[in-house]
Amino acid sequence: AQKVTQAQTEISVVEKEDVTLDCVYETRDTTYYLFWYKQPPSGELVFLIRRNSFDEQNEISGRYSWNFQKSTSSFNFTITASQVVDSAVYFCALSLRGGGSEKLVFGKGTKLTVNP
Amino acid sequence: NAGVTQTPKFRILKIGQSMTLQCTQDMNHNYMYWYRQDPGMGLKLIYYSVGAGITDKGEVPNGYNVSRSTTEDFPLRLELAAPSQTSVYFCASSYSHSGDNEQFFGPGTRLTVL
Repeated sequence: AQKVTQAQTEISVVEKEDVTLDCVYETRDTTYYLFWYKQPPSGELVFLIRRNSFDEQNEISGRYSWNFQKSTSSFNFTITASQVVDSAVYFCALSLRGGGSEKLVFGKGTKLTVNP
Repeated sequence: NAGVTQTPKFRILKIGQSMTLQCTQDMNHNYMYWYRQDPGMGLKLIYYSVGAGITDKGEVPNGYNVSRSTTEDFPLRLELAAPSQTSVYFCASSYSHSGDNEQFFGPGTRLTVL
């Protein structure tokens, strides 16, 4: 079965702290894709990153970085020097390819609150 | 370029009523999706479409119907509204399979069934 687990339901930090959001996934497929989306209080979903299962390189984009480790089936997201504008719900998602079917499985999300 | 638009933004229905949630995208995307988001939960796929005239069930299709007569439009139909369908509904689109491309989401429709 395919599953995404975001064990942290809510995290609260003070501005400028670093924070890591955990994502653990389960799949038997060898080809899959992982995503992070941000949902700010306004409600829309904003795409942050996509990573395929063959690319284990970590990625950094400004204050955001992602650590993909197939050995532990994890795709963690770190925000460095957090800001109030980072307050949002963050979703990790898993997409599978093949078989003519479409499967995109989301975790339950982690609500991040950054306090000034 | 408006992206993915959804109407209405809010709606209150009585049990047993029907309604159609509209979704339109202007990016010429082949794939379109409907999700529902319940409080404290992630998104769950209701239906998806890989092109005009082709639709398929997702994880939670019961109580819903869809059609895809054009590339741009992907309406979601609720025939007999039930309180369990109270949720926020998101429409999304992507150029191809979600693994190859990011999905672009609409602003959502907040539906309450009383």
